[in-house]
Order: sequence, then structure tokens, then C-alpha cells
Amino acid sequence: EPEVTQTPSHQVTQMGQEVILRCVPISNHLYFYWYRQILGQKVEFLVSFYNNEISEKSEIFDDQFSVERPDGSNFTLKIRSTKLEDSAMYFCASSEYPYENTEAFFGQGTRLTVV
Amino acid sequence: KQEVTQIPAALSVPEGENLVLNCSFTDSAIYNLQWFRQDPGKGLTSLLLIQSSQREQTSGRLNASLDKSSGRSTLYIAASQPGDSATYLCAVGTGAGSYQLTFGKGTKLSVIP
Repeated sequence: EPEVTQTPSHQVTQMGQEVILRCVPISNHLYFYWYRQILGQKVEFLVSFYNNEISEKSEIFDDQFSVERPDGSNFTLKIRSTKLEDSAMYFCASSEYPYENTEAFFGQGTRLTVV
Repeated sequence: KQEVTQIPAALSVPEGENLVLNCSFTDSAIYNLQWFRQDPGKGLTSLLLIQSSQREQTSGRLNASLDKSSGRSTLYIAASQPGDSATYLCAVGTGAGSYQLTFGKGTKLSVIP
């Protein structure tokens, strides 16, 4: 069964460093998303991406964050100059259709720990 | 701003019992509603998707209902098993120009053998 794949599963980084979280969405999906979940809190929307551009971003997704689809299979989230409060589980998701027909499929997540 | 609430926060039941998990949302202008399962430290597994025009969806022992006008959804699990132990998340699909999911905090279910 097709699935969304995320790497690495766990990343530890020092405050101020840059990290890149990688995702391989399901191959025929066109819509891509990043969400995050701080420990003990709700899953929160970060950004959606379609046709090689950002469709929508939340207030969390400030200039520190960027997304890219560098080739036909990968979708990345870059966090520049990480802060302690960026420590969270980051989930990539993808869907084949938009809006009412959207069923989002999530990856296993990358646990980011900023020390 | 859409808010999603799930009650109860935690639930413990003996194996074999039928149970209902509740989800409510504040803004009825949704595209759809999706129920997920999350195991500790793991990703989100999609269980059921209900489009805004639908009233319910079924998959095996799971049945989800949607009452958009009252801002409520329920997830019914029949004949619960220890393997059903997990956190169940409700998420509503919304967005003006795009699409995003707004999640509840989840119900942590423990099924006791």
C-alpha cells in the first residue's frame, strides 16, 4: 500500500542550526502539507503546497521556515536558525484531490529535538 | 477561527464493549471531517473520511457520523479489542483559498483485556 515516507525519524540539533526534514509523498498525489505536534498538544497546520508553490501557510510558518519540492519525488521543510520551541514532531501529508474529496495521508513523522 | 473539541480526553473500557468517541467543531463551513488513529510516538493513520455532503461512513467495526449543522461527529467502535488502544484524533477540513485540517486534541482509548 502506498505510503508517505519521512526521514529522518529523529533529529537532534543545536539551537541556531539549520535542519531539513524530508518527505516522499504518495506518487500520484498533487497536494502536500506539513503539520507539527508539540508534545502534549494538538496537531497544527504549517503549510500547504501545490503546483510548486505555497497555497496557504499558518501564522506559525514565518520567515524561519521554507518548503521546496526539489525533484519529482521529494518534499522538504527547512527550518533556519532553530529555536528550542521548534522541538516537535513534524508530519508530512499528501492528498490526491483538493477540498471535499481530500483524504490526507500522513507520514510517520520526524521528531525534532532542539538542544 | 475553527476550534475542534474531543470528549472524553481519555476512556478505558473492557474488551468487547461498544464505544462512542465525540468530536465537536465551532464552524460548520467545512469541506469534510477525517478521523485518525495515533499510536504513541507514531504517525497518523487515516481511519475514515466523511465529506460535508455525507452523514456517515463505515469501515469494518468503525462507523463515523457527521451532523454538520450542529457541529458534531461521532466515531463508533464496535466490539472493542486491545489492539484498538490508541489516541483517536478528529480533524475538520477547512480553508478559504486552500485546504487545511484543524485537529482536536484527541481521545486516548485503552481497551482492557
